Amino acid sequence: QVQLQESGPGLVKPSQTLSLTCTVSGASISSGSHYWSWIRQSAGNGLEWIGRIYTNGHTNYNPSLRSRVTISSDTSKNQISLNLYSVTAADTALYHCARAYSSGWDYFDFWGQGALVTVSS
Amino acid sequence: SYVLTQPPSVSVAPGRTARIPCGGNSIGSKSVHWYQVKSGQAPVMVISYNIDRPSGITERLSGSTSGNTATLTISRVEAGDEADYYCQVWDVVGDRPVFGGGTKLTVL
Repeated sequence: QVQLQESGPGLVKPSQTLSLTCTVSGASISSGSHYWSWIRQSAGNGLEWIGRIYTNGHTNYNPSLRSRVTISSDTSKNQISLNLYSVTAADTALYHCARAYSSGWDYFDFWGQGALVTVSS
Repeated sequence: SYVLTQPPSVSVAPGRTARIPCGGNSIGSKSVHWYQVKSGQAPVMVISYNIDRPSGITERLSGSTSGNTATLTISRVEAGDEADYYCQVWDVVGDRPVFGGGTKLTVL
């Protein structure tokens, strides 16, 4: 069974960097026909896709966040990381990592419980 | 960009049938996926490709699409079905997923 677990600080100050890690078990992040995404969930905006990283390390980002986000991977630890820069209160959300099945009509078959991040001074 | 519209809430009595709509331009020509999100739990995909139920998902859940509306139907609703439900399609032009705003299902 594939399992994903997010971890990181629960409180970030405005203008600073939000950094989260997703540890994957039961699947390799560096092989297969899947890729790995970060998705956030907030009361006002529902689910919002942040971006993805393929098994070869290639990344794509939501245009609305592209200038402030970096997704990377550490294959030795089987982890995916998210860095979101210059955060504001609008970035307060529950951040999920998820595995996506690439088929042209991609869907997310496994998700983590999420890491709640509050942006506040 | 492509937009999916869901009602914020749907209420239903136990044992009855709940229908959660997801509106989008020509959504009937796309593949729609549905997710169940319960507080404090990882989201779960409950329907893929409009009608397919992943292993372990109850037969009481079913999906359909027609014209500009996709529908998630929950038969014989139980208290444990209370959750937020999101529809999702792939925006081929933008090469990214698009989610509906989510519908909170309340069991009366």
